[in-house]
Amino acid sequence: DQQVKQNSPSLSVQEGRISILNCDYTNSMFDYFLWYKKYPAEGPTFLISISSIKDKNEDGRFTVFLNKSAKHLSLHIVPSQPGDSAVYFCAAARYNQGGKLIFGQGTELSVKP
Amino acid sequence: GAVVSQHPSWVICKSGTSVKIECRSLDFQATTMFWYRQFPKQSLMLMATSNEGSKATYEQGVEKDKFLINHASLTLSTLTVTSAHPEDSSFYICSASQNRDINQPQHFGDGTRLSIL
Repeated sequence: DQQVKQNSPSLSVQEGRISILNCDYTNSMFDYFLWYKKYPAEGPTFLISISSIKDKNEDGRFTVFLNKSAKHLSLHIVPSQPGDSAVYFCAAARYNQGGKLIFGQGTELSVKP
Repeated sequence: GAVVSQHPSWVICKSGTSVKIECRSLDFQATTMFWYRQFPKQSLMLMATSNEGSKATYEQGVEKDKFLINHASLTLSTLTVTSAHPEDSSFYICSASQNRDINQPQHFGDGTRLSIL
């Protein structure tokens, strides 16, 4: 059972425009959500996170929005840059679960010049 | 900071061979390390959680006798795939955390591509 889903395997955006990556989850008990970015032949790197008690967290060009009623979160990148081209994974976690992360399948973002 | 080194990055070996993968935290002490497996175009699936000085906790469906995990120090965890077979071919990736607090992001190695012939 896939508890965290990223239904778009790929996304293509023009440089300078907004990239919106989406993630849905089924378990309402998740307390914390994270986004990781992965380049080919490298491990994922942490990008931004949000607690379930918030609905928005912003860090520079990256903003994560959480809609708990819809069990949906999204990552906005504004403005998109070619260097943002990578695979983006969302992940979810619960407190008192030993730090265990549940990952989505990933969305490959391509930002075209 | 927060660098995790995983070695080797790529292994090809014959069926029946045992393969050891190392995961090291280079500039911090990792109380907890996690081992994931990823099939093409799929998510990272957690296999097990290892805590320094104690036995690993395996996820449901993961054979602990098949995938041996050792976390002997605060900077090193190893995953040994015993008697590997072609179906064990996959991308294995580790991550490390200074504690088990989910507010502390995990730092990932670059992964190991395992191919069993």
